[in-house]
Amino acid sequence: GENVEQHPSTLSVQEGDSAVIKCTYSDSASNYFPWYKQELGKRPQLIIDIRSNVGEKKDQRIAVTLNKTAKHFSLHITETQPEDSAVYFCAARSSNTGKLIFGQGTTLQVKP
Amino acid sequence: NAGVTQTPKFRVLKTGQSMTLLCAQDMNHEYMYWYRQDPGMGLRLIHYSVGEGTTAKGEVPDGYNVSRLKKQNFLLGLESAAPSQTSVYFCASSSRPPTDTQYFGPGTRLTVL
Repeated sequence: GENVEQHPSTLSVQEGDSAVIKCTYSDSASNYFPWYKQELGKRPQLIIDIRSNVGEKKDQRIAVTLNKTAKHFSLHITETQPEDSAVYFCAARSSNTGKLIFGQGTTLQVKP
Repeated sequence: NAGVTQTPKFRVLKTGQSMTLLCAQDMNHEYMYWYRQDPGMGLRLIHYSVGEGTTAKGEVPDGYNVSRLKKQNFLLGLESAAPSQTSVYFCASSSRPPTDTQYFGPGTRLTVL
């Protein structure tokens, strides 16, 4: 069935360093890959997304890359700040079913 | 424009009790979803709807029922609550693809004793 694996489960970096979170997906029909940020006790909020016809997308300090051949995509956060501390979720949507399948989440801690 | 709202925010049930969670959106979205979030397991889709009067099963539908009588509302029902249903429940809505960003509600924390 459809599956999304996310690594690492926890990530601790110093303020100013970069953070990278990686996801792999199983359904080759997936065509939409959003990333959500969830602060403690809050709802998930979309921070960036990428579609299957694009290899990379950037928005200020965050970027996402997609390798369709290898079926993996990654989130890159540069110049991390304490307010980047949160749980990050990747997801993949199959063009066949239309459903979003989420990864297990990565808890990012940015130390001042 | 409130976006996606959920009622109630918190609830404690005893095993065997029933309840309904209400999700409402004011963005005229066609699609609505119910997820549950458990520690270390991400968000798992329970049921979803692609339009008024339609519902479909997600990854973990057992023990839940849903209804979409009005476009703006999506109800999640637990007929006989079990401790395994203790979780945080999120509702989300989206337009049709390709403009299909999912917007989440604030969540409902449910505890079943």
